[in-house]
Amino acid sequence: DGGITQSPKYLFRKEGQNVTLSCEQNLNHDAMYWYRQDPGQGLRLIYYSQIVNDFQKGDIAEGYSVSREKKESFPLTVTSAQKNPTAFYLCASSPPPFRDTEAFFGQGTRLTVV
Amino acid sequence: EDKVVQSPLSLVVHEGDTVTLNCSYEVTNFRSLLWYKQEKKAPTFLFMLTSSGIEKKSGRLSSILDKKELFSILNITATQTGDSAIYLCAVIEYGDNNDMRFGAGTRLTVKP
Repeated sequence: DGGITQSPKYLFRKEGQNVTLSCEQNLNHDAMYWYRQDPGQGLRLIYYSQIVNDFQKGDIAEGYSVSREKKESFPLTVTSAQKNPTAFYLCASSPPPFRDTEAFFGQGTRLTVV
Repeated sequence: EDKVVQSPLSLVVHEGDTVTLNCSYEVTNFRSLLWYKQEKKAPTFLFMLTSSGIEKKSGRLSSILDKKELFSILNITATQTGDSAIYLCAVIEYGDNNDMRFGAGTRLTVKP
């Protein structure tokens, strides 16, 4: 079945450690996105990528890094520079502009810094 | 600056009430506006709107887009407790800034 898979679902990190969240899609979508969601709030854009080997910063990119070496994969690294990383992280992908269908989301990763 | 603004941020109603959620946007090269419902984890898709004035309807939910005034509304009639969720609005642009930006969401609580 086609879809987006995020892993792990839950992640605990010690302060000062980097951690990488996985996002894989088999929908053949060009665009992929990472969002952060804090309790009771909407989604804030961290990074997005329209094509392989290219990505742009969103509104809250500081303390995060991404790569897009393959069309199917868009991993997010939460670095030690991110001061408040505890949040729910959602990955999404959307089809090319000539196909007007919705963006799809993974099930999310809940990151907790301990 | 906020590109997508939703209002109200929070809303409490009783079963049977009708609610209207608002989403205004300001982007350069509008492509589409999407509404999602988020109950626990992954947002689930409700509507995609690309043309002005054409209402999209699914059961008790409906939505319409006004590209001149740059806003969309999501209506829910005869609300049920299962409608309690965060409703998210997102805008996708064409061109160099081809990102998908969300509003802060509206948290709807429907009481029995």
